[in-house]
Amino acid sequence: GNSVTQMEGPVTLSEEAFLTINCTYTATGYPSLFWYVQYPGEGLQLLLKATKADDKGSNKGFEATYRKETTSFHLEKGSVQVSDSAVYFCALSDTGRRALTFGSGTRLQVQP
Amino acid sequence: KAGVTQTPRYLIKTRGQQVTLSCSPISGHRSVSWYQQTPGQGLQFLFEYFSETQRNKGNFPGRFSGRQFSNSRSEMNVSTLELGDSALYLCASSLDSGLGETQYFGPGTRLLVL
Repeated sequence: GNSVTQMEGPVTLSEEAFLTINCTYTATGYPSLFWYVQYPGEGLQLLLKATKADDKGSNKGFEATYRKETTSFHLEKGSVQVSDSAVYFCALSDTGRRALTFGSGTRLQVQP
Repeated sequence: KAGVTQTPRYLIKTRGQQVTLSCSPISGHRSVSWYQQTPGQGLQFLFEYFSETQRNKGNFPGRFSGRQFSNSRSEMNVSTLELGDSALYLCASSLDSGLGETQYFGPGTRLLVL
């Protein structure tokens, strides 16, 4: 079956530090890949997505590249802000099931 | 355009009771999916509805059920509540939930079972 593995959190960074959150996946076929973010007390917001190999999704300074050869979709940001503190979820949807499979989430804490 | 709305936002029930949660999708979206979020199991897919038909179902017992109305609004029902059903229930809508289709999430209904 499908699965998504994310690095364990929490990740604690100082403001303006570089962020990487690792995500690898297992899936049949050619899944689409997503990063969602969840702020305290809220639902999930789409951060970025990529639908085919070598695609790069980007939004609000965050980027992730769909790497089929390494089955990865790592999230990066060059300079984090306190307002980026949240839980980040990597997810995939495959061609057969219309359902998202999520990773366990990575909590990011950015200190001023 | 208004986002996905869910009601109620918070709910407290006791074991053995049943509960109904409601979701209104983004206008024009015809697919509605439900997810359960718990600290232990994370985010898990419950089911997906499209044009009033369940198209896909996750690995949950039959106590969890849902339906979709002609206006795409959806409800999910949990009967004979158990303590382990305490969770954040998230609804998501999309235009047609095809490959690569983005699912837009509501704020969730937080259910506490005592």
